[in-house]
Amino acid sequence: QQPVQSPQAVILREGEDAVINCSSSKALYSVHWYRQKHGEAPVFLMILLKGGEQKGHEKISASFNEKKQQSSLYLTASQLSYSGTYFCGTENSGNTPLVFGKGTRLSVIA
Amino acid sequence: DAGITQSPRHKVTETGTPVTLRCHQTENHRYMYWYRQDPGHGLRLIHYSYGVKDTDKGEVSDGYSVSRSKTEDFLLTLESATSSQTSVYFCATLQGAGGYTFGSGTRLTVV
Repeated sequence: QQPVQSPQAVILREGEDAVINCSSSKALYSVHWYRQKHGEAPVFLMILLKGGEQKGHEKISASFNEKKQQSSLYLTASQLSYSGTYFCGTENSGNTPLVFGKGTRLSVIA
Repeated sequence: DAGITQSPRHKVTETGTPVTLRCHQTENHRYMYWYRQDPGHGLRLIHYSYGVKDTDKGEVSDGYSVSRSKTEDFLLTLESATSSQTSVYFCATLQGAGGYTFGSGTRLTVV
């Protein structure tokens, strides 16, 4: 089952914050987050394993709520370089391929 | 990462012809994947491999086959290309830290 991402698109001004959500109808083993810039390959941001941990990467962090089967990606004090499409990928058990959401297009404007 | 390369980068082919896309990695990763990316669908899994000669189907495997005779190479073949297979194809490997590394992609157009 493909995870559902929301919102589908968001426009921010530099310095604003955003939250991208990823939810699944099935129990999750892990959640991955990737960013893809136009015409390029997706780039790995972080992985969250079941256990409800929160991870950080510069001003980008994420949480994983195992009970709710959802993850959220937090972008704070956004920069122009944050623009791109963000994908979550979910894994229902260990060593199974990721199933990706349809993506959230983030545009940061000056 | 220079550790994963896809070829060709672009290809135009005619309906009904076989096409093979190549993914080559230098990191000795066990797991490799082929995804296709289409507007409105995100990334969808075609096939994946968990070792030499060990492969399995993904969500959208119809019309595709794969082979992995060496750890470093994972080939995707469109047996008889159709217009619905026009897409961007990404190969990926599973890193030791758990994330995927993607190749640069192959843009395939079937006319």
